[in-house]
Amino acid sequence: AQSVSQHNHHVILSEAASLELGCNYSYGGTVNLFWYVQYPGQHLQLLLKYFSGDPLVKGIKGFEAEFIKSKFSFNLRKPSVQWSDTAEYFCAVNPPEGSYIPTFGRGTSLIVHP
Amino acid sequence: KAGVTQTPRYLIKTRGQQVTLSCSPISGHRSVSWYQQTPGQGLQFLFEYFSETQRNKGNFPGRFSGRQFSNSRSEMNVSTLELGDSALYLCASTQGRGDITDTQYFGPGTRLTVL
Repeated sequence: AQSVSQHNHHVILSEAASLELGCNYSYGGTVNLFWYVQYPGQHLQLLLKYFSGDPLVKGIKGFEAEFIKSKFSFNLRKPSVQWSDTAEYFCAVNPPEGSYIPTFGRGTSLIVHP
Repeated sequence: KAGVTQTPRYLIKTRGQQVTLSCSPISGHRSVSWYQQTPGQGLQFLFEYFSETQRNKGNFPGRFSGRQFSNSRSEMNVSTLELGDSALYLCASTQGRGDITDTQYFGPGTRLTVL
């Protein structure tokens, strides 16, 4: 069964610091990759997604993620975080063929101090 | 457009009872998925419905069931509740045929507490 690992469970940063959240998956075939964000008191929402093409994907609010196939990774980055980026971040993987069932990582809690 | 709505927002039940949760997708969305979110397991896929048919199912016991109505609204039911069923239950809808490339829009969730 495929799995998704988010290595950083809790991250605390100061404003303007750079962010990188790790995401690795175990599925061996072609995959579709997602990052979702859940701000305090808000719904889970899509941050960015990768299906094919340019492995560097840009999302909302200045976030980007790079798909490195050889490392089975899809790390999320932001060069300068803001207090408003405080949230829970989830990486997710869908195999494009066969079963639809998406697999989510356990999430990373990010706290940004002003 | 209104977003995905879920009712009720909070529920408290006791072990052995059953519960029904409701989800209204965004207007025009025909695919509805359900997830269970817990601190220990994160988000786990329960099932997905399209045009009143369950297309996909996650690895949950038969106590968890669902259905979708002709207006795309969906319900999920959990029978014989256990303490471990305490979780946030999320519903998500997608446009079109709900292909995996489609963006999922999540509701606020129903917080179920089993005592």
